[in-house]
Amino acid sequence: EDQVTQSPEALRLQEGESSSLNCSYTVSGLRGLFWYRQDPGKGPEFLFTLYSAGEEKEKERLKATLTKKESFLHITAPKPEDSATYLCAVQADDYKLSFGAGTTVTVRA
Amino acid sequence: NAGVMQNPRHLVRRRGQEARLRCSPMKGHSHVYWYRQLPEEGLKFMVYLQKENIIDESGMPKERFSAEFPKEGPSILRIQQVVRGDSAAYFCASSQGASEKLFFGSGTQLSVL
Repeated sequence: EDQVTQSPEALRLQEGESSSLNCSYTVSGLRGLFWYRQDPGKGPEFLFTLYSAGEEKEKERLKATLTKKESFLHITAPKPEDSATYLCAVQADDYKLSFGAGTTVTVRA
Repeated sequence: NAGVMQNPRHLVRRRGQEARLRCSPMKGHSHVYWYRQLPEEGLKFMVYLQKENIIDESGMPKERFSAEFPKEGPSILRIQQVVRGDSAAYFCASSQGASEKLFFGSGTQLSVL
């Protein structure tokens, strides 16, 4: 069974204080690793897809990287609007996404 | 191009009643997924459907739960004889192809009294 573990569960940052979120996974036949952002009361919003080890993707202050066992989401100089829950998910040969429990990031001004 | 539309946004049912949750995928998307989210927990896969076909229902309870995605109209997640443990946020997602990224709706918050 696919397993996705995210750490830490919660992260409190000062505005401008860079940090990283971790997503470790166990999956048979990885098709893709996905990062989503979820705001309270809303559905997840797509951020990135990574397909192979060594791949990196960037979007504004966010950068996602992938190894054979884990992925990192780096937040550079965060702003309060970056506060959200960040979800990691893996897709295997059965095509469904298996999600981790998420990391809730709070950025204080 | 409208996103994934779910309704209702909030649904209150008494124990024993039926709950019907509707999902209209994005235009051009023929793959629909249903997920359930409990407080402080991640999204749990329930069912994956294409038009008129259930592809994978391995995450859906065997009893009381059913899903459909007819040729015409929205996908429906149906929960019969609801119990308090069914209270959760139910999210629908759609994709253009099987291995494409998923776009999520805003969810239906089901509360069972």
